[in-house]
Amino acid sequence: EAGVVQSPRYKIIEKKQPVAFWCNPISGHNTLYWYRQNLGQGPELLIRYENEEAVDDSQLPKDRFSAERLKGVDSTLKIQPAELGDSAVYLCASSPGGRQSTDTQYFGPGTRLTVL
Amino acid sequence: AQTVTQSQPEMSVQEAETVTLSCTYDTSESDYYLFWYKQPPSRQMILVIRQEAYKQQNATENRFSVNFQKAAKSFSLKISDSQLGDAAMYFCAYRTSGSRLTFGEGTQLTVNP
Repeated sequence: EAGVVQSPRYKIIEKKQPVAFWCNPISGHNTLYWYRQNLGQGPELLIRYENEEAVDDSQLPKDRFSAERLKGVDSTLKIQPAELGDSAVYLCASSPGGRQSTDTQYFGPGTRLTVL
Repeated sequence: AQTVTQSQPEMSVQEAETVTLSCTYDTSESDYYLFWYKQPPSRQMILVIRQEAYKQQNATENRFSVNFQKAAKSFSLKISDSQLGDAAMYFCAYRTSGSRLTFGEGTQLTVNP
């Protein structure tokens, strides 16, 4: 079974440029998460989707960040315009969904973003 | 708000020895779940072990086991017979039903040959 797929693995851009990250969750997983991980810290949730609905986006900086999961499968996270402080690793995770204890999140390899 | 604290930024262990990583958390909930994830240099977060708060029995996965002390809000990870491949950043994480995962700051584990 394929795991969570993310692309690109690395991205270097100049500040004020736009950037987009793509994530394909594990087949059959209804819940998708985007996290940001700053250097030396644990991941922090940006947004959580249940199917195509964003159910927790309270930590998403909506002035410059946007996300979509139009068909309830793969998802795109966009930053426009990027700032120096956006340099981080962006992790995507998925889980089967629901409130069961077995709703464990499985992570992709992440995208390392460097903003110059 | 829930918080997760890992008080050991770095730990080291000799190959084949045992090491324990500490984690404490703060919550007012009675029903929740605790996790240990491993993140090697490849950045892939890998689930190591999971514990449901309502279960008194400590979870075990091969060489990995936890010491879950609910009253003390403590959730430590013990790695037995440490291997070179165990070297990674280890994150403790907490969540309640349907909520986000809250991660600690991580503990960098070095395994010395």
